Amino acid sequence: GAVVSQHPSRVICKSGTSVKIECRSLDFQATTMFWYRQFPKKSLMLMATSNEGSKATYEQGVEKDKFLINHASLTLSTLTVTSAHPEDSSFYICSARVAGNQETQYFGPGTRLLVL
Amino acid sequence: AQSVAQPEDQVNVAEGNPLTVKCTYSVSGNPYLFWYVQYPNRGLQFLLKYITGDNLVKGSYGFEAEFNKSQTSFHLKKPSALVSDSALYFCAVRDAGYNQGGKLIFGQGTELSVKP
Repeated sequence: GAVVSQHPSRVICKSGTSVKIECRSLDFQATTMFWYRQFPKKSLMLMATSNEGSKATYEQGVEKDKFLINHASLTLSTLTVTSAHPEDSSFYICSARVAGNQETQYFGPGTRLLVL
Repeated sequence: AQSVAQPEDQVNVAEGNPLTVKCTYSVSGNPYLFWYVQYPNRGLQFLLKYITGDNLVKGSYGFEAEFNKSQTSFHLKKPSALVSDSALYFCAVRDAGYNQGGKLIFGQGTELSVKP
């Protein structure tokens, strides 16, 4: 149980285009999902907290107009990187917390984004 | 403010020997502590957590961690290391403030290398 999927697993796009990444909780409902960014061999940087049915809460320094987050259902959150640039290339990981359980987060397998 | 420190960037162990990956924390109030493991180009896998109860917590794949309140530590241990344990390990603490949405604060990560 508690499986989280991400799609796509990797994506290559041209500079200036937008890319959407999906995060799904497959066997549980998640009122809260989190989006992280990870640089090679580095820790995870929390970008935003996504709450179902409401606006995402962004961490300081994260541009909300560049990283659009939508949490339209209890099993799906999306991250759209708008007008991507090479510096946006990174490993993006989502996590989901079981509804009613404030404790454990379960992580997706990650999405590797390369912007050319 | 809550924080987590992993003092070792890398730990090297021979297969069959015991391993320890260190973690210290700083929190206000009771800590919620977690260990996650990350294999190359993958998301994080949950290993174990401490919320309350016994100081020795047993988790997945034969790992355990000992909560030590006086030393504010939560070291990850395994009696006999396997080559397949080689990965990146993260310690995390849950932000205790309820209005923080239960977000996790991660340590810097420790790369474990187990040699045959």
